[in-house]
Amino acid sequence: GAGVSQSPSNKVTEKGKDVELRCDPISGHTALYWYRQSLGQGLEFLIYFQGNSAPDKSGLPSDRFSAERTGGSVSTLTIQRTQQEDSAVYLCASSLPGHPLEQYFGPGTRLTVT
Amino acid sequence: AQKVTQAQTEISVVEKEDVTLDCVYETRDTTYYLFWYKQPPSGELVFLIRRNSFDEQNEISGRYSWNFQKSTSSFNFTITASQVVDSAVYFCALSEAMDSSYKLIFGSGTRLLVRP
Repeated sequence: GAGVSQSPSNKVTEKGKDVELRCDPISGHTALYWYRQSLGQGLEFLIYFQGNSAPDKSGLPSDRFSAERTGGSVSTLTIQRTQQEDSAVYLCASSLPGHPLEQYFGPGTRLTVT
Repeated sequence: AQKVTQAQTEISVVEKEDVTLDCVYETRDTTYYLFWYKQPPSGELVFLIRRNSFDEQNEISGRYSWNFQKSTSSFNFTITASQVVDSAVYFCALSEAMDSSYKLIFGSGTRLLVRP
């Protein structure tokens, strides 16, 4: 079946512009996670959705970062007024109800802020 | 606080050598889960293994084996008779049961290069 998909796969933007990154989880997966992988670093947690609500936003680095999820499916991560330090690969993962430890990762969106 | 440390930034071995990747973790929880993921050059994260904190049995899967020791808070990963295809970045991760999101806390990764 289809895995987690993310779009775009690559995004180059100018400093100061807003960007939107999209994640399509696996059908039926109610939990959705965003992680960020900066160059040469491990992955850091950004935000967790259960259905359409986000009970854990503790990883969002600043108020320039926000995310929403509609219909319990697609999620959009928005970064406003991008900065060069926002350059990273943004990974999305999803999991089935009752199986939070089985997170399936998407291919990621590579964001480059120039 | 929870933390995962992978002190080895990069390891280079010659094919057929054995190699061990170290992982040390910190957690406040008594029930937790440890993971290893592989990230090949293509970039996707590949799940390798999950262990819970109550199961300290070592595990072997083909050329891969894992040594979980609660006494030293370590979950080390050994590849026996390494192959060029094992070249990748390997991440160790932790998830705590008291964290209802079960988010993964990752180490910074170890880049393994296996030379022919």
